[in-house]
Amino acid sequence: AQKVTQAQTEISVVEKEDVTLDCVYETRDTTYYLFWYKQPPSGELVFLIRRNSFDEQNEISGRYSWNFQKSTSSFNFTITASQVVDSAVYFCALRVMLYNQGGKLIFGQGTELSVKP
Amino acid sequence: EPEVTQTPSHQVTQMGQEVILRCVPISNHLYFYWYRQILGQKVEFLVSFYNNEISEKSEIFDDQFSVERPDGSNFTLKIRSTKLEDSAMYFCASQDRENTEAFFGQGTRLTVV
Repeated sequence: AQKVTQAQTEISVVEKEDVTLDCVYETRDTTYYLFWYKQPPSGELVFLIRRNSFDEQNEISGRYSWNFQKSTSSFNFTITASQVVDSAVYFCALRVMLYNQGGKLIFGQGTELSVKP
Repeated sequence: EPEVTQTPSHQVTQMGQEVILRCVPISNHLYFYWYRQILGQKVEFLVSFYNNEISEKSEIFDDQFSVERPDGSNFTLKIRSTKLEDSAMYFCASQDRENTEAFFGQGTRLTVV
């Protein structure tokens, strides 16, 4: 069975603090993808990053960085120097590849990040 | 930038009524999905659609639900007889290839009264 766990339900930080959102996943498949999506107060789901199971290289995009560790089945997301606009619910998701089916996303419960000025 | 468009943004319906949620996926995308999010909860998969047929569906997607891609551009989700527990945000998503990211629409908030 596949599962994604985001143990942090809510995090509150003050602007300019760094914050790490944790994501732990479970799957027996060797080929899979991991994602992070952002859901701002307006409600839409915004794609942030996709990672495949064969690529453990960490990634940095501006103030965002992601740490993928297969040994611990984790795909953590760090925001450096957080800003008020980062306030949102962040979802980690797992996709197991099914041939010619695209593959559904299995979402974690989400972490609500509140960045205060 | 191309985007997934959903209509309406909010729909209120009476219990037992049929509703159709509409989505226009990104042009040239091949995989289509519906997800739902009950208020304050996680996003749950409902159904995936590829090559003009359902490729996978969840336990939630029972006989009350159906999907269609009637004209090559629209992708609809129909709920035949709505229940109070169908109240949720429904998201449509599309994806161009197997191993790429899914792009989501802005959602339709369905309220069943």
